Amino acid sequence: NAGVMQNPRHLVRRRGQEARLRCSPMKGHSHVYWYRQLPEEGLKFMVYLQKENIIDESGMPKERFSAEFPKEGPSILRIQQVVRGDSAAYFCASSPGPSGQPQHFGDGTRLSIL
Amino acid sequence: ILNVEQSPQSLHVQEGDSTNFTCSFPSSNFYALHWYRWETAKSPEALFVMTLNGDEKKKGRISATLNTKEGYSYLYIKGSQPEDSATYLCAFPTGNQFYFGTGTSLTVIP
Repeated sequence: NAGVMQNPRHLVRRRGQEARLRCSPMKGHSHVYWYRQLPEEGLKFMVYLQKENIIDESGMPKERFSAEFPKEGPSILRIQQVVRGDSAAYFCASSPGPSGQPQHFGDGTRLSIL
Repeated sequence: ILNVEQSPQSLHVQEGDSTNFTCSFPSSNFYALHWYRWETAKSPEALFVMTLNGDEKKKGRISATLNTKEGYSYLYIKGSQPEDSATYLCAFPTGNQFYFGTGTSLTVIP
């Protein structure tokens, strides 16, 4: 009964490279949320997806960031041309339904930009 | 952007003491209020989802109350134990988004 799986746990990139963060939701969960935790700050909503649909991406920076949740496979958060300010912990959570259901979190991906 | 505020920011208590902390949220357009427990080096774990004004939920020594009219929820821990040391987060869903508070960091001293 696997929980939410995120990989990699740690990712190091140089400025200008691309970062791809993966999230496999819990079995039976079709709602996926991505959050970012900057140093010394709380969790900030980025994007909410259902299978093959972006429902709300209002928390995503307008440039360089994108997310998808394909019919098959994990949800991907993609950051192009990374900059030092992208260094953060990125958490994925899944739930079986919308906001009345508790979210189940992955262990996060710690992204470090050199 | 909505304000979800938690207080205090951090708390140190002796083992065996009871404690409580607060989550404040907008009282309009209420749908639900979530509480999560986040231990260091782990992922947040759901404690409660509260939806009804006046609701009280309990899980072992931890309980929570909800006042949607005035926009606050209390989390209580009775007889704190060292394993209760964690950050306790509340989250307020609105529309498709979840707004998290910055958490109360609890340290229980043996």
